[in-house]
Amino acid sequence: DTEVTQTPKHLVMGMTNKKSLKCEQHMGHRAMYWYKQKAKKPPELMFVYSYEKLSINESVPSRFSPECPNSSLLNLHLHALQPEDSALYLCASSLDRPNTEAFFGQGTRLTVV
Amino acid sequence: AQRVTQPEKLLSVFKGAPVELKCNYSYSGSPELFWYVQYSRQRLQLLLRHISRESIKGFTADLNKGETSFHLKKPFAQEEDSAMYYCALEYRYKFYFGSGTKLNVKP
Repeated sequence: DTEVTQTPKHLVMGMTNKKSLKCEQHMGHRAMYWYKQKAKKPPELMFVYSYEKLSINESVPSRFSPECPNSSLLNLHLHALQPEDSALYLCASSLDRPNTEAFFGQGTRLTVV
Repeated sequence: AQRVTQPEKLLSVFKGAPVELKCNYSYSGSPELFWYVQYSRQRLQLLLRHISRESIKGFTADLNKGETSFHLKKPFAQEEDSAMYYCALEYRYKFYFGSGTKLNVKP
């Protein structure tokens, strides 16, 4: 299994809702990432987990809350989002060593209304 | 600060023509550089990395430290090469992506 699986594929939520994005991989990767990609823009790093511990937070607002319950799963909890948070959210994983490729999921297309 | 620059937003070529997608980077150490590709409605996927010095789908990329460049080249473009191409620099588990170049190969 060489895939990163994200659910749901599409999500529409109101500004007062609480929702979660899920990501799963079974490649034994110990580094997992959340990226945000706006239309016609490159992916921007949000969070990095290494061995289930948060190692990088790129100054992301607290309305985004990541969680890594085990080595295969990565969640992104969403609360009180703004319309400008609408974007494609990408999960990725890699081996926890330098110069290793990141495997990306298909993404969750999030629309905040 | 690490930065990756892709100067062309769109590159249109005819099938069979050579193609070169430009990438320049700024980084003080020894960079780990990659090319990622995103075909229409597909996930972002690795095309090639500089350290492996391989050719994938006819594409090659050479790291030029003097010019701080990592341009992607293919001698004869195919229609199926049409996609979005991102140059990326990896530093301490962070991937810094360029703004991307959309390659359009016309029949």
